[in-house]
Amino acid sequence: GENVEQHPSTLSVQEGDSAVIKCTYSDSASNYFPWYKQELGKRPQLIIDIRSNVGEKKDQRIAVTLNKTAKHFSLHITETQPEDSAVYFCAASKRSTGNQFYFGTGTSLTVIP
Amino acid sequence: GAGVSQSPSNKVTEKGKDVELRCDPISGHTALYWYRQSLGQGLEFLIYFQGNSAPDKSGLPSDRFSAERTGGSVSTLTIQRTQQEDSAVYLCASSFTRTNTEAFFGQGTRLTVV
Repeated sequence: GENVEQHPSTLSVQEGDSAVIKCTYSDSASNYFPWYKQELGKRPQLIIDIRSNVGEKKDQRIAVTLNKTAKHFSLHITETQPEDSAVYFCAASKRSTGNQFYFGTGTSLTVIP
Repeated sequence: GAGVSQSPSNKVTEKGKDVELRCDPISGHTALYWYRQSLGQGLEFLIYFQGNSAPDKSGLPSDRFSAERTGGSVSTLTIQRTQQEDSAVYLCASSFTRTNTEAFFGQGTRLTVV
């Protein structure tokens, strides 16, 4: 089955700096990679996703890059703000397994004002 | 409703009792997932449904845990003879599998075993 690894487990940055979270996956057939943000006491919510036919996707201050050859993808948050503080999860899935999602272990991001 | 709905939101039970947690997925979503999240921890996979069948039950931690889904919609997660280590937030998610798209999460059930 698929194995998704996520690093780092915790990350602290100064407000205004950039944050990068990295994930690797094992199954080369995985073709959909969402990122979820979970604020304290709330449910995980999708913030950005990327499909395997795309190398990079941006949405305002967040971007995701995908390297299919190396089987890794990364979340980039620029100009971080205190409200970016949360736990971030990466995931991988593929249609041939009925879209089953495999999640990373999460990164707790703290943005220091 | 428009989103994934879970009930109850909170459940306090005595050790040794059985509990049932309910998940009502988004209409039309054929895939349904159960995860467990202990305080400050990640998403521990429990079980995955595709329609009414469960192709992957590998995450159920013991035979005290079971889940079913009927009519391709509502799912219940049952924990028998609850133990204190079962205390956690149980999250349900659903997704539409005809196209590879995001999973939507419910708000979770916070289970406390005393």
